[in-house]
Amino acid sequence: KAGVTQTPRYLIKTRGQQVTLSCSPISGHRSVSWYQQTPGQGLQFLFEYFSETQRNKGNFPGRFSGRQFSNSRSEMNVSTLELGDSALYLCASSLTGQGLREQYFGPGTRLTVT
Amino acid sequence: GQNIDQPTEMTATEGAIVQINCTYQTSGFNGLFWYQQHAGEAPTFLSYNVLDGLEEKGRFSSFLSRSKGYSYLLLKELQMKDSASYLCAPKSGGSYIPTFGRGTSLIVHP
Repeated sequence: KAGVTQTPRYLIKTRGQQVTLSCSPISGHRSVSWYQQTPGQGLQFLFEYFSETQRNKGNFPGRFSGRQFSNSRSEMNVSTLELGDSALYLCASSLTGQGLREQYFGPGTRLTVT
Repeated sequence: GQNIDQPTEMTATEGAIVQINCTYQTSGFNGLFWYQQHAGEAPTFLSYNVLDGLEEKGRFSSFLSRSKGYSYLLLKELQMKDSASYLCAPKSGGSYIPTFGRGTSLIVHP
């Protein structure tokens, strides 16, 4: 069974630009969560999608948004990039979400904002 | 927010046993995950505790005390490949979304 895939793996953008990251969950998994990981703050929850609906949202500004498609693939968008958005963005999929089962993380997208 | 406390760094010798502690807020608690993350890689699932007690899975065991807001991960017969960051992630405050601690960086030396 293929794991969680994320594209692109690495990205360099400049301040003010926008970026879209993609995540394909494990086949059959309907929940996709997004996290931002930085050395200073650790792993922070951005949002969770289930069946194309955002079920939970973390404490991030509105510049961070996402969506999920009918095939459970998810995208995350960050607009008006800031230097502080430089981070590893991880997506994780699980069978049903709701914290009942473990999450499987993708390899992440390393975003650098200059 | 969630206050998760785990040591920043620990060192241990190959073949030894190490215990990584984690304390968290108990309000609305409904389960705790442990993940392992090697440098430059994604976190991988180790264990999930909901009830009090010790759960053993090979060389790794995880313990939970709900009343004390305390968990630990026990690693036995340490190997060099166990050098990684260990993330404690409780679900509290009535949310089913786990909140991740900053992780404990474990260094295993020969």
